[in-house]
Amino acid sequence: AQSVSQHNHHVILSEAASLELGCNYSYGGTVNLFWYVQYPGQHLQLLLKYFSGDPLVKGIKGFEAEFIKSKFSFNLRKPSVQWSDTAEYFCAVNAIRNNDMRFGAGTRLTVKP
Amino acid sequence: NAGVTQTPKFRILKIGQSMTLQCAQDMNHNYMYWYRQDPGMGLKLIYYSVGAGITDKGEVPNGYNVSRSTTEDFPLRLELAAPSQTSVYFCASSSPGLAGSYEQYFGPGTRLTVT
Repeated sequence: AQSVSQHNHHVILSEAASLELGCNYSYGGTVNLFWYVQYPGQHLQLLLKYFSGDPLVKGIKGFEAEFIKSKFSFNLRKPSVQWSDTAEYFCAVNAIRNNDMRFGAGTRLTVKP
Repeated sequence: NAGVTQTPKFRILKIGQSMTLQCAQDMNHNYMYWYRQDPGMGLKLIYYSVGAGITDKGEVPNGYNVSRSTTEDFPLRLELAAPSQTSVYFCASSSPGLAGSYEQYFGPGTRLTVT
C-alpha cells in the first residue's frame, strides 16, 4: 500500500506571505492526488485534485499544486496567504488500481493577521 | 442534495458500552468509507464498502464492525467501547466520476469520547 508524507506538522506565516506545503508519496503505479482542507470545527473539503494532463493544477481560493512524477511529490502553493487560510491541510493519494486512498498526517497552517 | 450526513455529532460512552454511528449519502455513490482522525495522525481508514452487501477492512478495523444493506447507508458499530476509540469519526463517499477520479465527499464528523 502507498504511504503519504507531509513534511511540516505546523506552519506559521504572516498574512501576504507565500506558502508551500510539501507532500511526497511512495507508490509505483498510477495515482490520483488530492489536497483537502479542514477549517476549525469543520469537515474536510476538497481544495484541488490531479488526475492527468497538466501537472500544475489550480484549485479554489487561489491554491495550486504541482505534480512532479519523478519526485513523487504534489506540493501545495499559494502566493499570498490570508488569515482565513488558517486550517489543517491534508494531502491524499489514491492508487487507481485498487481505489486505495491514503492520507498524510496533515499540516496545520496558522496565518497571523 | 444533503451530501453525506452523520449522526450523532457528539457522544460520550462509558468503557464497554456499544453504539452505532450513522452515515448516509444521497449522491448514489457506490463507495463509502469510515475514517478516524486523531491529532497529528491524519485520517486512518477503518472500513470501506464498494457497494451494497460488500464491505472490507481498512488500516485500523479492530474493535469496529460495519454493514451496507443499502447504497445510501453505511453504519459503523462499536461493540465494546475502549478509551483508545476516543476520536473524531468521518464518513465519506465517492464514485468513479470522470476519469476514475474517486473524489471523496466527507460528512461533518462524529466526536466520540470513551471514558
